[in-house]
Amino acid sequence: QKEVEQDPGPLSVPEGAIVSLNCTYSNSAFQYFMWYRQYSRKGPELLMYTYSSGNKEDGRFTAQVDKSSKYISLFIRDSQPSDSATYLCAMIFMGGKLIFGQGTTLQVKP
Amino acid sequence: DGGITQSPKYLFRKEGQNVTLSCEQNLNHDAMYWYRQDPGQGLRLIYYSQIVNDFQKGDIAEGYSVSREKKESFPLTVTSAQKNPTAFYLCASSIADFTNEQFFGPGTRLTVL
Repeated sequence: QKEVEQDPGPLSVPEGAIVSLNCTYSNSAFQYFMWYRQYSRKGPELLMYTYSSGNKEDGRFTAQVDKSSKYISLFIRDSQPSDSATYLCAMIFMGGKLIFGQGTTLQVKP
Repeated sequence: DGGITQSPKYLFRKEGQNVTLSCEQNLNHDAMYWYRQDPGQGLRLIYYSQIVNDFQKGDIAEGYSVSREKKESFPLTVTSAQKNPTAFYLCASSIADFTNEQFFGPGTRLTVL
């Protein structure tokens, strides 16, 4: 079993839809949770960084962490074609290394 | 502009050859990392360095080597011992350790002919 599981998709939605991207993990020691966005043939860029359970909002993006269920989510409201990319979850515990999920490829159709 | 540069963008290698991928950063970051990305597998850590003249193996270091002689530079050599080197290679840096945001370069796509 992988430490971090992420549905690879691809996920295709119409413009304006609400998108939900999810990761589950097995190591309860993970403390810090991140979402990276990666456009095709580019390096990933950090979208959201959360520490505790609960929600964190930044514009159209909301990151949600549920440590009791070992489950994190990224919600994208009013999705745009420019949101079409691969989204990677990543997590870490203090003193550990960053562990990435497999990535979910999202396509937002105009 | 501050950032991370990787070169070349595309690299072709014949079997049995060693190749070196370049990574340079001008962000004044102490830590640098090399990842390999394969379809459907996310990013896997090859090597990392948290200070000049010191580096540590990641999860898939076999067949790779690195050096960290300067703070700004962290080149990766893919040796002939790496059995399946065709992949997308990403270099990253951060202020200190893994808990800090990592900034990624644009990547190098290596293909073995």
